[in-house]
Amino acid sequence: DAGITQSPRHKVTETGTPVTLRCHQTENHRYMYWYRQDPGHGLRLIHYSYGVKDTDKGEVSDGYSVSRSKTEDFLLTLESATSSQTSVYFCAIRDPDRARSPLHFGNGTRLTVT
Amino acid sequence: QKEVEQNSGPLSVPEGAIASLNCTYSDRGSQSFFWYRQYSGKSPELIMSIYSNGDKEDGRFTAQLNKASQYVSLLIRDSQPSDSATYLCAVGPSGTYKYIFGTGTRLKVLA
Repeated sequence: DAGITQSPRHKVTETGTPVTLRCHQTENHRYMYWYRQDPGHGLRLIHYSYGVKDTDKGEVSDGYSVSRSKTEDFLLTLESATSSQTSVYFCAIRDPDRARSPLHFGNGTRLTVT
Repeated sequence: QKEVEQNSGPLSVPEGAIASLNCTYSDRGSQSFFWYRQYSGKSPELIMSIYSNGDKEDGRFTAQLNKASQYVSLLIRDSQPSDSATYLCAVGPSGTYKYIFGTGTRLKVLA
């Protein structure tokens, strides 16, 4: 594995509660990504980061916020969880020093909002 | 809207046969292309990268790229039941930092 740890691995929460997912990397890579994966939709980008405190929105960013205060940690927060945010969330990193490099994924967090 | 299209399958092949997985993309400026394998309940795992027109071989896997036709394919020779998984096609950033993924093709290799 590419040194990416996601926590928690599983989470069940109630509608309206805040939830924070954590992605931790040991590769010292500048680029980090959050995706969600749902049947029929594939992997969809929520937010990404290209450096400490540098983040940008993906295609499904509504209802999500992110923070990157250290190179190794990228946090995804659902301010007020909804049932539509039940999904599997993957963090990914990219090595910027390799031209046209691929993404490498963490093990994922399965989130259920009841 | 940049897109990557894949047939969702399932694609069923007998053990020992060649499995052929296909992908088309919309952004002509794309320069990097990837195939990931994803077992049920697991995370995507990179199996092939390809950047130039033509074929790239790695063991039983061959990736093929045709930029003029905006087409990428993955061939799996001597398919094994352990190859049964969903295969995701991805296109690397073109002018942004964003990678675009197809919805995946589910492959079933029948013993």
